[in-house]
Amino acid sequence: SQQGEEDPQALSIQEGENATMNCSYKTSINNLQWYRQNSGRGLVHLILIRSNEREKHSGRLRVTLDTSKKSSSLLITASRAADTASYFCATASLGGGTSYGKLTFGQGTILTVHP
Amino acid sequence: DTEVTQTPKHLVMGMTNKKSLKCEQHMGHRAMYWYKQKAKKPPELMFVYSYEKLSINESVPSRFSPECPNSSLLNLHLHALQPEDSALYLCASSHSPPEQGLGQFFGPGTRLTVL
Repeated sequence: SQQGEEDPQALSIQEGENATMNCSYKTSINNLQWYRQNSGRGLVHLILIRSNEREKHSGRLRVTLDTSKKSSSLLITASRAADTASYFCATASLGGGTSYGKLTFGQGTILTVHP
Repeated sequence: DTEVTQTPKHLVMGMTNKKSLKCEQHMGHRAMYWYKQKAKKPPELMFVYSYEKLSINESVPSRFSPECPNSSLLNLHLHALQPEDSALYLCASSHSPPEQGLGQFFGPGTRLTVL
């Protein structure tokens, strides 16, 4: 099964509204990252939160991490039509060996922001 | 230069062809990655190179052969592919060790179709 599971699978909102996406994972992590992907294009790194951090902000983005519940949320405030994309969480493994630094992506949330 | 470039953008090949995908970055990153992404799915890690050495092979079939000629270049050689190998192939790079906090930088991908 996937390390990261995201919900909702799809989210449709109006411009100006806030969008919240959630991610759950199963194993211990070093950090959790969020990426955005516009249709059929490469991924863009948005923000990284380490396992010893609880909240992080970057512009209109706010990420929280609860390691006791193995979950994270991404909040996009005052959304714009240009925020329309797929959003993926990705967890970086804890520990060494062959899994060192490996990223495992969640299933993603498709966000549509209507003008 | 904060860009990862990939060529070609699109590739159509027959099951008996041999082709190569190319990836280049000039950010001084010493970790480079190949991912495979099917439609509406998250990226799946295929290979990781760290300091030009293969560090992770996610049990990828031998018809995919990676090569890292130098710290800026990453190739993926394709031979005798199957139609189910049709996908978006993404290259990424990052600092090594990868958890320095900046995430991975992705290229735009090569859209591969195997006939």
